[in-house]
Order: sequence, then structure tokens, then C-alpha cells
Amino acid sequence: GQSLEQPSEVTAVEGAIVQINCTYQTSGFYGLSWYQQHDGGAPTFLSYNALDGLEETGRFSSFLSRSDSYGYLLLQELQMKDSASYFCAVFNNAGNMLTFGGGTRLMVKP
Amino acid sequence: NAGVTQTPKFQVLKTGQSMTLQCAQDMNHEYMSWYRQDPGMGLRLIHYSVGAGITDQGEVPNGYNVSRSTTEDFPLRLLSAAPSQTSVYFCASSNGRLETQYFGPGTRLLVL
Repeated sequence: GQSLEQPSEVTAVEGAIVQINCTYQTSGFYGLSWYQQHDGGAPTFLSYNALDGLEETGRFSSFLSRSDSYGYLLLQELQMKDSASYFCAVFNNAGNMLTFGGGTRLMVKP
Repeated sequence: NAGVTQTPKFQVLKTGQSMTLQCAQDMNHEYMSWYRQDPGMGLRLIHYSVGAGITDQGEVPNGYNVSRSTTEDFPLRLLSAAPSQTSVYFCASSNGRLETQYFGPGTRLLVL
């Protein structure tokens, strides 16, 4: 099966940079996804890494190291609206089911 | 496009009652799925479908049934509600890129 580990909570100040880590165990690896979810809202897709390295999308970047079974989401120039939960997710070995981590709650303070 | 829609938004059931959670998408996506999210936790896959007429079980399928008669609709049926099924239910869909799933707004279910 699959398992993912993320810190449960991270706190940072507005304007700062924060990194949310994710380590995973899976029998077949297709890539690592990241989703954002605001309180009371639905998850929304942020990024996907299939290969090692850094993917940048505006203020958000995501990194993957397949040899270390590790990835992270980097949020720069933090804004209050970035306060949300962030989930990493991986596929099963058949590539047809997504398994989510428990989520990291990010609190951005003024 | 409305995207992924879910009804109802909120429902209260008594133990033993049955109900159907509706999910529809207008993006012509082949892949649809149902997740449940318990407080402070991640999403767990209940059932999924890779196309009309094809469904399969996810991580936590017990107590739930699904069907997929059309590309657009993917209802989730609770056969006999239990308090352990109190949760927020999300429906999602995606095209060929399964890592990018589009989620509906969710249905909050309380079973007494």
C-alpha cells in the first residue's frame, strides 16, 4: 500500500518563506501531487512532480527526490490567504487511485 | 461550465436510514471518485470509476455503493447509515491526468 507523512501544523509570518515536507512509501511511483484546502472548502490542485527537481508556479514551488522518497512544497512571499491545509498525494501501483497524506495546516500570522 | 456539483450540501440522517449523495460533472471527464474526509484528516478514497459502466473499490468502500450509468453522474449510496459515516464527502473528477482532480464543494453528513 501507500503511506505519506507530513507535519500536522506549520506557522509562519506574512512575507516569509515556508516549506512543507512530505515523505512517502509506495510500491509503485507515478509522481507526487499537492493540493490546497481552505477551511470549509474543497481541495484544489496545486502542483505535480513526476520527475526529480523543482517545479515553479508563481509563488509556489514543489520539489521531488525519488531516491529519497521525499518531496516538499515551498511557499514564498506568504500572504494571509495562504492559511490553509496542504496535502501531498501519491498513486497506487496501478496508477488509478490517489492516496492523500494527513495534511499540514499552515497558519500565516501578520 | 459548472464543474463538479454535489447535492445536498448538508444532510442529517438517523442510524439505519439510507440515502444517495449526488455528484455530476460537465467537463466530460472519464474518471470520477468519492472521498470522505474526517475532522483534521486527509481524504480517503471510497469508490472510483474510470468510465461509464465501470466502478471499483477504494480504501474504505464498506457501507457504500456506487453506479456509473452516464459519464456525467456518479451517485454514492449509503445503504444503512451509521454514526461512523458522519463525515464530509467529496466527489472529484479528472481527465487523462489523474494527478489533477477537480473536487466538488462537498456534502456534510451527520448520522445520529
